[in-house]
Amino acid sequence: AQKVTQAQTEISVVEKEDVTLDCVYETRDTTYYLFWYKQPPSGELVFLIRRNSFDEQNEISGRYSWNFQKSTSSFNFTITASQVVDSAVYFCALSPLEGFNKFYFGSGTKLNVKP
Amino acid sequence: NAGVMQNPRHLVRRRGQEARLRCSPMKGHSHVYWYRQLPEEGLKFMVYLQKENIIDESGMPKERFSAEFPKEGPSILRIQQVVRGDSAAYFCASSPPFPGGWGQPQHFGDGTRLSIL
Repeated sequence: AQKVTQAQTEISVVEKEDVTLDCVYETRDTTYYLFWYKQPPSGELVFLIRRNSFDEQNEISGRYSWNFQKSTSSFNFTITASQVVDSAVYFCALSPLEGFNKFYFGSGTKLNVKP
Repeated sequence: NAGVMQNPRHLVRRRGQEARLRCSPMKGHSHVYWYRQLPEEGLKFMVYLQKENIIDESGMPKERFSAEFPKEGPSILRIQQVVRGDSAAYFCASSPPFPGGWGQPQHFGDGTRLSIL
C-alpha cells in the first residue's frame, strides 16, 4: 500500500514554543520521495522540502527542521520558536517510483499558533 | 506570472449543471495532475495527464468526471451533472518531463473552489 498518516489533526501552541508535526508513511517501493507542503488560510499550497529515500540526513532551514528515519518510516517536521505566521495546515506527501510522480497526501495537521 | 494558473478561483453551480475547471501548467512543464480536496481533508489524486494523453486516471470517479490536456491550451477538468458531493477545492499541479521530473516538487495552482447549490 501507498499511504501517509498524519495522526495529529490539530495542534495549538503559544508563540515561541517548539512544535513537531508527525508523518508516518507506508510504501512497497524502495525508491521514493517525501515532501512537506504548507497550506496557509489563503488556500494555496507552498512547497517546503523534498527528501529522497536514499538520503537520511536531517535538514535544517532557519526555524524549520526535518527528521527522516527509514527504520520507523517517519518524516517529522519541527518548527522552532513558532510564530503566528506559521499557522496553517501542513501536509506530508509520498511520491513512490511506481506512481509516475503521483503524490499521496496525508490528511494534514492544522497548526494554530497563538500570540 | 510563470506559476500554475487555475481558473476560475471560485465556481458556483446548481445541481445538474456542468463545471469546467481550467489549468495552465508552468512554462516548460508537460505533466499535469489534478487533485481534489474535500473540506477538512487532504488532497486526493484524481488524474495525471500529458499532452493529448491520459496517463493515470485511477483516482477519477467513473461517471460524470473527465479530463483532457490538448495539444494547445489548458488542461480541463470537466464535471457533468454536478451533485452536492462534488463541492470541494480542486487543485492542479504540474511538473517537468521525466526522467528529471520524477521526484521534483509538484507546483500547485491556487485551486478552484467549487460550490454546488
